[in-house]
Amino acid sequence: QSVLTQPPSVSGAPGQRLTISCTGGSSNIGAGYDVHWYQQLPGTAPKLLMFHNSDRPSGVPDRFSGSQSGTSASLAITGLQAEDEADYYCQTYDSSLSGYVFGTGTKVIVL
Amino acid sequence: EVQLVESGGGLVQPGGSLRLSCVASGFSFNNHAMHWVRQAPGKGLEYVSAISSDGGSTYYAESVKGRFTISRDSSKNTLYLQMGSLRAEDMAVYYCARDDDSSGYYYNNDAFDIWGQGTMVTVSS
Repeated sequence: QSVLTQPPSVSGAPGQRLTISCTGGSSNIGAGYDVHWYQQLPGTAPKLLMFHNSDRPSGVPDRFSGSQSGTSASLAITGLQAEDEADYYCQTYDSSLSGYVFGTGTKVIVL
Repeated sequence: EVQLVESGGGLVQPGGSLRLSCVASGFSFNNHAMHWVRQAPGKGLEYVSAISSDGGSTYYAESVKGRFTISRDSSKNTLYLQMGSLRAEDMAVYYCARDDDSSGYYYNNDAFDIWGQGTMVTVSS
């Protein structure tokens, strides 16, 4: 069981806006540690999608955006595309566990 | 091209040992801490271990502490994970990943910016 909770799946039609939540607690997101997001396309390795809460690595389209507030973080996808269908994971540091933690993961389904 | 390539996975019996390797290329290996992350079949990502660039600092998740050893060889640009006393719950794809900070240490706010393709470890009799 992860200390970071994500919805198992979210879905939307092409062109729509989706948000994925990552709910933590006072020892991780609430403590101010940066949140990062990874995209894992089917059958491939994870890829860094968003880092340090809201920074996009080179090559990541600006359709993706990140935010953090209190004990939660969110990843938003605007203008949803078929190629966005993948699993998404949040990640941060937890002081109670003294280590890095990943969220439970969210499958994005493009209808 | 910045790249990480894992190898060494395979079938091992419960209680057995295995050593994974991760060869880095296209960047200054000596400037970055490195990590191992695993993913059991059909499950999410689980953090495993970290090592600083000089090998002097290491971290292990509780689930592998005392059974796994992380190390690195700067002359070969290679990261290792020595796994022992393997259990069924260790069965997973193991990924190596680069720390995004180029200071050589792993910090609380660091991300994992480059990932290898993964190597599968199967624990079964």
